[in-house]
Amino acid sequence: GAGVSQSPSNKVTEKGKDVELRCDPISGHTALYWYRQRLGQGLEFLIYFQGNSAPDKSGLPSDRFSAERTGESVSTLTIQRTQQEDSAVYLCASSLAGLDTQYFGPGTRLTVL
Amino acid sequence: SQQGEEDPQALSIQEGENATMNCSYKTSINNLQWYRQNSGRGLVHLILIRSNEREKHSGRLRVTLDTSKKSSSLLITASRAADTASYFCATDGSGTYKYIFGTGTRLKVLA
Repeated sequence: GAGVSQSPSNKVTEKGKDVELRCDPISGHTALYWYRQRLGQGLEFLIYFQGNSAPDKSGLPSDRFSAERTGESVSTLTIQRTQQEDSAVYLCASSLAGLDTQYFGPGTRLTVL
Repeated sequence: SQQGEEDPQALSIQEGENATMNCSYKTSINNLQWYRQNSGRGLVHLILIRSNEREKHSGRLRVTLDTSKKSSSLLITASRAADTASYFCATDGSGTYKYIFGTGTRLKVLA
């Protein structure tokens, strides 16, 4: 079946603008993760959704970052008033349940000018 | 700080040689996973090893886990140029459902 998809694949925006990144997980996967990866760095955990439970938002770096997920489907990551330091690849992953193998999407490369 | 730390940060070997990467972590875990990343985009899952397992194999990959030392190693045997990538370990904190990734080992296999 289809893997995790993310859109857009690339996004260039001006400092101060809001951006919305989308993730479509694998159908039936209850867990969904967002990560940020700066150039040449490791993955930085942002947020975790598991079914209808309250999300784990402990990795969100500031209140400019928020994410939503509708049930066990699409998730959107919103960054308000973007800053240059927000430039990174944003990766989404889903898994069947919380401690299972994560399947990653191709990522969205965000560039803030 | 990161839960998992890989070492070395970078590794360059000749095709046909074996490559060994290590991962150390700080707290007790349920599972440890290894991933490969090509060209800075999506990650590909390689192996998941559970805390009660000591060794797992998958093709040319061998992963070991030593929970007493809080460390794991990934061995790639008979490396190929196509193995050139960054390799990450990811650990969950026991009692949590989120995985924390290390900073990765950048492997270059020279043809």
